[in-house]
Amino acid sequence: AQSVTQLDSHVSVSEGTPVLLRCNYSSSYSPSLFWYVQHPNKGLQLLLKYTSAATLVKGINGFEAEFKKSETSFHLTKPSAHMSDAAEYFCVVSEGYNFNKFYFGSGTKLNVKP
Amino acid sequence: AAGVIQSPRHLIKEKRETATLKCYPIPRHDTVYWYQQGPGQDPQFLISFYEKMQSDKGSIPDRFSAQQFSDYHSELNMSSLELGDSALYFCASSSLGGVRSDTQYFGPGTRLTVL
Repeated sequence: AQSVTQLDSHVSVSEGTPVLLRCNYSSSYSPSLFWYVQHPNKGLQLLLKYTSAATLVKGINGFEAEFKKSETSFHLTKPSAHMSDAAEYFCVVSEGYNFNKFYFGSGTKLNVKP
Repeated sequence: AAGVIQSPRHLIKEKRETATLKCYPIPRHDTVYWYQQGPGQDPQFLISFYEKMQSDKGSIPDRFSAQQFSDYHSELNMSSLELGDSALYFCASSSLGGVRSDTQYFGPGTRLTVL
């Protein structure tokens, strides 16, 4: 069975400080893993994707994520937060076998303080 | 680059009415997915189509139906609307044939309000 756990429902950081959004997954097959961002009243935008080519994945807007198989984690990081990063972030796992099915985490709301 | 198009962007209906949501996938994408996102919730998978055939089914109520047409656009038909159907409905598309990729690209969503 596949599942995604986002460990923090809310994260608050100050502008210019690092961001860490945590995600753990379980998957029976080789997973594809994604991070999407959703700004208020907007659609879901793809930040980055892991597909087994490299464990450290760089995405848009300075975000990156590291796939750690031993820890079944795919945490999202950014060295320096910007006010425009305030949004909700979803970690998603796609099954390796029936990979047209997405499993969403419950989301992490990122607040960036001036 | 062309993105997923959804129409309408906003829809207001009364209880027991019907609604039709439309989705136009990215050109050359053969797979369409529908999701429902309630207030404060994560998106819930409803149904998907690959090459005009239903490929997977999630938590879609029997009152809802969907199809994918020959031009790959998809429509989600919702009947006997209930207050609880008020949500943001996302469509996503991907390419599972051809240049195969499981990345789903999401449209901006249709916000349905049932009064």
